[in-house]
Amino acid sequence: DQQVKQNSPSLSVQEGRISILNCDYTNSMFDYFLWYKKYPAEGPTFLISISSIKDKNEDGRFTVFLNKSAKHLSLHIVPSQPGDSAVYFCAAHRPGTYKYIFGTGTRLKVLA
Amino acid sequence: EADIYQTPRYLVIGTGKKITLECSQTMGHDKMYWYQQDPGMELHLIHYSYGVNSTEKGDLSSESTVSRIRTEHFPLTLESARPSHTSQYLCASSFGGLQETQYFGPGTRLLVL
Repeated sequence: DQQVKQNSPSLSVQEGRISILNCDYTNSMFDYFLWYKKYPAEGPTFLISISSIKDKNEDGRFTVFLNKSAKHLSLHIVPSQPGDSAVYFCAAHRPGTYKYIFGTGTRLKVLA
Repeated sequence: EADIYQTPRYLVIGTGKKITLECSQTMGHDKMYWYQQDPGMELHLIHYSYGVNSTEKGDLSSESTVSRIRTEHFPLTLESARPSHTSQYLCASSFGGLQETQYFGPGTRLLVL
């Protein structure tokens, strides 16, 4: 049973426009969330995080929104750049542990 | 940002061989992790360690074993490789509290023929 879901396997966006990547989770006890970016043949690179006590966190072009009632978070990238083309994973922290549960990823392609 | 290294990056090996995947980090992180990822799938935690001489099984059952004799080193061993072990293996580390970000190495792509 998948506790963290990224229902869109891929997304294409024009350069300069906004990219919105979505992530849904089933366990309301998750207390911290991470977004990672992964290029081919490389390991995931940390992008941005958000605590369950917040509903928004911003870092440059990247903003993560958390809607706890809907158990939904989203990553906004604006403006999108061709270098943002990668697979994006969301991860949810299981309270009381050092463990994160990962989604299956969304492949973003930013078209020049 | 953590410096974490994995070798080899790619490995093609025959069934029945013993293999060790190396993972080292230079940041002094106390916690280290091994994940397995198949294409298009989520990362699954197979082993983790809270510190030297501490290792635990992860959420996904794995025939591999790990050791943590030094803080910076967390090797993963398969005693007898099988085609079902073909996957990408990602090592990560973190430091501090429960919610700390995990930093990943570049991964090892394993193909067992």
